[in-house]
Amino acid sequence: EDQVTQSPEALRLQEGESSSLNCSYTVSGLRGLFWYRQDPGKGPEFLFTLYSAGEEKEKERLKATLTKKESFLHITAPKPEDSATYLCAVQEESGGYQKVTFGIGTKLQVIP
Amino acid sequence: DGGITQSPKYLFRKEGQNVTLSCEQNLNHDAMYWYRQDPGQGLRLIYYSQIVNDFQKGDIAEGYSVSREKKESFPLTVTSAQKNPTAFYLCASSSRPLGAFFGQGTRLTVV
Repeated sequence: EDQVTQSPEALRLQEGESSSLNCSYTVSGLRGLFWYRQDPGKGPEFLFTLYSAGEEKEKERLKATLTKKESFLHITAPKPEDSATYLCAVQEESGGYQKVTFGIGTKLQVIP
Repeated sequence: DGGITQSPKYLFRKEGQNVTLSCEQNLNHDAMYWYRQDPGQGLRLIYYSQIVNDFQKGDIAEGYSVSREKKESFPLTVTSAQKNPTAFYLCASSSRPLGAFFGQGTRLTVV
C-alpha cells in the first residue's frame, strides 16, 4: 500500500534553532513530491514541488530536498511566524489519474 | 486575484439533511478535487474531476456527490447517507506540472 509518513508529528523549536522535517514515501512511480504549509482553520498553502532525486528548492528560511525514498524540509533560523503544520504529499500515476497521497503533517511550534 | 473560493466558511447540517459546499476557481485549471480533513489524519480524497462533465470517485466517496458542469465550478453535496460528515472540507485545483492549490476550506458540523 502506498504510504506517506511524516516525522516528527510535532516539533517545538526555540527561535533561531534550525531543524529538519522528514517525509518518507513508498509509491511505485513518483511523479512529484509537494510541501505545503497549513495554518489552523485554513487551507494548505503550496510551498514546493520536487520531481527527481537530488533536486532542491529554497524559499526564505525553508529548503526542501528529495532522495529516492524521502524528502526533508530544512528550516534555518526559524521565527515564530513559521509556526504551522507542514504537509507532505506525493503524486503518482495510477490508472491514468495523477493520484496524490498526503501525510498527516508535522506541527511546528517556534517559541520566541 | 486568481484563486479558489470556497463557501460558506462554516456550515451546520441537521440530521437527514443534504448540504452543498461551493468551490469556484478562476485559475483556468482543468483538474479539481475535494478532500476531507479530520484531526490526526491526512487529507483524504473524496472526488476529483479532470475535465468538465467528468468526475471520478476518490478513496471515501460514499455519502457524497459532485457535479462539474463548468470548468470553474465543482460543488460537493454531502448527503444524508454520509453518517459522519463533521469535518473540514478542502477544495483544490491543479494544472500540471504544479501541485494543487487549495481553497480556505469549509467546516461542516452536524447539529
